[in-house]
Amino acid sequence: DTEVTQTPKHLVMGMTNKKSLKCEQHMGHRAMYWYKQKAKKPPELMFVYSYEKLSINESVPSRFSPECPNSSLLNLHLHALQPEDSALYLCASSQDALAGQSEQYFGPGTRLTVT
Amino acid sequence: GQNIDQPTEMTATEGAIVQINCTYQTSGFNGLFWYQQHAGEAPTFLSYNVLDGLEEKGRFSSFLSRSKGYSYLLLKELQMKDSASYLCAVRLFSGGYNKLIFGAGTRLAVHP
Repeated sequence: DTEVTQTPKHLVMGMTNKKSLKCEQHMGHRAMYWYKQKAKKPPELMFVYSYEKLSINESVPSRFSPECPNSSLLNLHLHALQPEDSALYLCASSQDALAGQSEQYFGPGTRLTVT
Repeated sequence: GQNIDQPTEMTATEGAIVQINCTYQTSGFNGLFWYQQHAGEAPTFLSYNVLDGLEEKGRFSSFLSRSKGYSYLLLKELQMKDSASYLCAVRLFSGGYNKLIFGAGTRLAVHP
């Protein structure tokens, strides 16, 4: 099983809403990632979790709050977003974030629209 | 800063060979990945190079020269389904952890 699943597939939210994006993998990977991708642009790294600990935060605004409840799950809590936050949010996982080939497997993404 | 350059768009004919180049200027280089991304879908892993030379995987090959900061992805026997964006990504070792920095991607259109 080399699948990373993400829910929901699409999300429309107002600027005052609170919502969460969810990501799950059952490959035994110990590193998980959140990326943001705008149309016709490459994915941009937001957060890296390694062994359930936040390892990298790429200076992401606090209206995005990641959480890793266990080694298989990764959430991204959203609050008071801006229209410019509308994008495809991709979750990825890899065997680890420290060494080796360790390619990242991406989920299908959540397409977020902030109105 | 980190800089990864790829051509924006390329076109090729079904059955032909195409080479997509990637040049990079980064610190802490720890490997280079190529991903394929169809419109509206997630990136999928194609190849990985960490040492100089050629890696071959079926119709796809990737080459790396670390001294030149250069890689290419070679696609042979092109098929219509190969029309996609191809992302070059450099893995950097930063703050004790690996992270990927993606190039802007090359949109490849394969014509009959």
